[in-house]
Amino acid sequence: AQTVTQSQPEMSVQEAETVTLSCTYDTSESDYYLFWYKQPPSRQMILVIRQEAYKQQNATENRFSVNFQKAAKSFSLKISDSQLGDAAMYFCAYRSEYTGANSKLTFGKGITLSVRP
Amino acid sequence: DADVTQTPRNRITKTGKRIMLECSQTKGHDRMYWYRQDPGLGLRLIYYSFDVKDINKGEISDGYSVSRQAQAKFSLSLESAIPNQTALYFCATSDFREQYFGPGTRLTVT
Repeated sequence: AQTVTQSQPEMSVQEAETVTLSCTYDTSESDYYLFWYKQPPSRQMILVIRQEAYKQQNATENRFSVNFQKAAKSFSLKISDSQLGDAAMYFCAYRSEYTGANSKLTFGKGITLSVRP
Repeated sequence: DADVTQTPRNRITKTGKRIMLECSQTKGHDRMYWYRQDPGLGLRLIYYSFDVKDINKGEISDGYSVSRQAQAKFSLSLESAIPNQTALYFCATSDFREQYFGPGTRLTVT
């Protein structure tokens, strides 16, 4: 079974600075997807970024980028130019690529990010 | 209008009561899911369904049941609610790229 580990329960960043959120995972599969979801106080789950394991290039979405290290099974999220609206809980998640799987997501426990003005 | 809707958004109920959480989607997806979120535990899968005739247990299905009334509707029931089922519940649908979450239902069992 796959597992996702987010070892830091909380982090804080100064507005306009850069912060990196860590995530590691364990799997025996070679094809899979990795995601970062943001959950603001509204509790809505918002997809931040998505990475396909077969792609060597790291995904980027505006101020958000990932450092995907497949051999190390590491998937960190970097937020540049942090804004007050980035304050939220962030979840790392894994999904198998295989069609026999159920497309379910396996989540980490989440990390609470606060942004200091 | 939201693609995935959940009702109610908040509910307080008493121990032993039966309660149903409803989920509807307009995305036309076959795959639907129910997750539970607890502080410090992330989201965990309760049940999932590939279509109206295919329903499967997730990792924490004890104490829950589901019904897939149509492609667009997937309901979660607590037959006899207990306090440790107090949590935030999410419904989701998926295509081959990603999952799409509803707004969540905050359930409190007293």
